[in-house]
Amino acid sequence: RKEVEQDPGPFNVPEGATVAFNCTYSNSASQSFFWYRQDCRKEPKLLMSVYSSGNEDGRFTAQLNRASQYISLLIRDSKLSDSATYLCVVNISRVGDSSYKLIFGSGTRLLVRP
Amino acid sequence: EADIYQTPRYLVIGTGKKITLECSQTMGHDKMYWYQQDPGMELHLIHYSYGVNSTEKGDLSSESTVSRIRTEHFPLTLESARPSHTSQYLCASSEITGGYGNTIYFGEGSWLTVV
Repeated sequence: RKEVEQDPGPFNVPEGATVAFNCTYSNSASQSFFWYRQDCRKEPKLLMSVYSSGNEDGRFTAQLNRASQYISLLIRDSKLSDSATYLCVVNISRVGDSSYKLIFGSGTRLLVRP
Repeated sequence: EADIYQTPRYLVIGTGKKITLECSQTMGHDKMYWYQQDPGMELHLIHYSYGVNSTEKGDLSSESTVSRIRTEHFPLTLESARPSHTSQYLCASSEITGGYGNTIYFGEGSWLTVV
C-alpha cells in the first residue's frame, strides 16, 4: 500500500462546476500537508498548505481530517485554467527534525471543459 | 517565483556519453532533492541532501550520482547515459526545519533524451 494515495482520475468537469479531490495517508506521524499543482510537462508548484482548521484561498478550500487520515481539496466555479494534475504532499516529521520526509501522491488529473 | 535553476533544460545525447545536470538555488536552503518523472507518471525521489557533504539515495534506485560541495549547488551526473535514462529530472529544495516551513520548491526540470 502506498503511503499517500490519490484517485488518478481524470476528473472531467464542465466550466463552473465544483470538484473535490481526496487524498489518504497511512502514517499517523504526518505533520504537515500540502496541495501542489502540476501543469503538463511543467514542474510542480505549491497551491496551498492544508491546516487542521481548514483553509481557503479564493475558489480553493483545503481540509484535513487527522482522525481519518485524509486531506481534501475543493475547487469551486472551475475554470479552464484549472486543468492540471493536483498532487497531495505529506510531510512526516517532528518540528525541528531535519530528517523529515516529503511523500508525494501520484496525482489526480483534472480536465475542465468549456 | 522560486529561485532554483536547472541547466540544461533540454538535452539529446548519444548512448555512453557522460552528462551532468546542473541545479542551483539562491534561497539558502539546506535540503535539496532530485526527482525523476516520466511524462504523465508520478514523481520518484532519486537523491537528496541535508547540506554540504551530505548525499543520500532516494526511494527509486538510480545509476546517477550527486555531489554537494556548496550549499547552493547540487549537480547530478550520469557516467554513461543509456536510453533507459530518458526522462525528466526535477531538482528541488526546501528548508531544513520540519513542519509547514519546509515547502518544497522545484526547478523547471531538465528533459533528457538518450539516443
